[in-house]
Amino acid sequence: LAKTTQPISMDSYEGQEVNITCSHNNIATNDYITWYQQFPSQGPRFIIQGYKTKVTNEVASLFIPADRKSSTLSLPRVSLSDTAVYYCLVGAFKAAGNKLTFGGGTRVLVKP
Amino acid sequence: GAVVSQHPSRVICKSGTSVKIECRSLDFQATTMFWYRQFPKQSLMLMATSNEGSKATYEQGVEKDKFLINHASLTLSTLTVTSAHPEDSSFYICSARNADRANTEAFFGQGTRLTVV
Repeated sequence: LAKTTQPISMDSYEGQEVNITCSHNNIATNDYITWYQQFPSQGPRFIIQGYKTKVTNEVASLFIPADRKSSTLSLPRVSLSDTAVYYCLVGAFKAAGNKLTFGGGTRVLVKP
Repeated sequence: GAVVSQHPSRVICKSGTSVKIECRSLDFQATTMFWYRQFPKQSLMLMATSNEGSKATYEQGVEKDKFLINHASLTLSTLTVTSAHPEDSSFYICSARNADRANTEAFFGQGTRLTVV
């Protein structure tokens, strides 16, 4: 699985947009990029997944440049409840048996 | 959406005893489930891949005789921490994907907080 690098932590304020960039220089052709959110003492929760360009859902947007060596998770207008750890994962894990390996994650703190 | 349920959510046991943690996929079949452990302020570490009807595959450094995994059905995998010691205290999380759907995210259980005293 491609190694990922994310900032360790980020602080933001309510109502602001939070952008978390993940570097994955060794991404392979078959790899997808997936982001998970984890609150303390809970299992990770899927946020968004993409392969190239831009993906948007009701929670976030994912921007992937043409070379796919990085990706940016964008959380619009964050609230206090968005305080969590966000993980970027890269891998060819579309198949049920392909395992997910987590990197360090980014701890996001949203302040009032 | 698909749900993965773990039981118990927290358990305290005495050193030397064994503890079993269950992981169930509630509305889909999972031929493969994954077990992770997570220490405070750290990321999830993959322990093993649980395969229905066959032996689990353990990651390097994880003792298979210490962490027994059974995946007897398409909706249930169990992790048994044998002869638990205080250093086994951790947050254990399972994950599964829907075996019938080609493009789907992995779903995670709510985790089990194990405290060995």
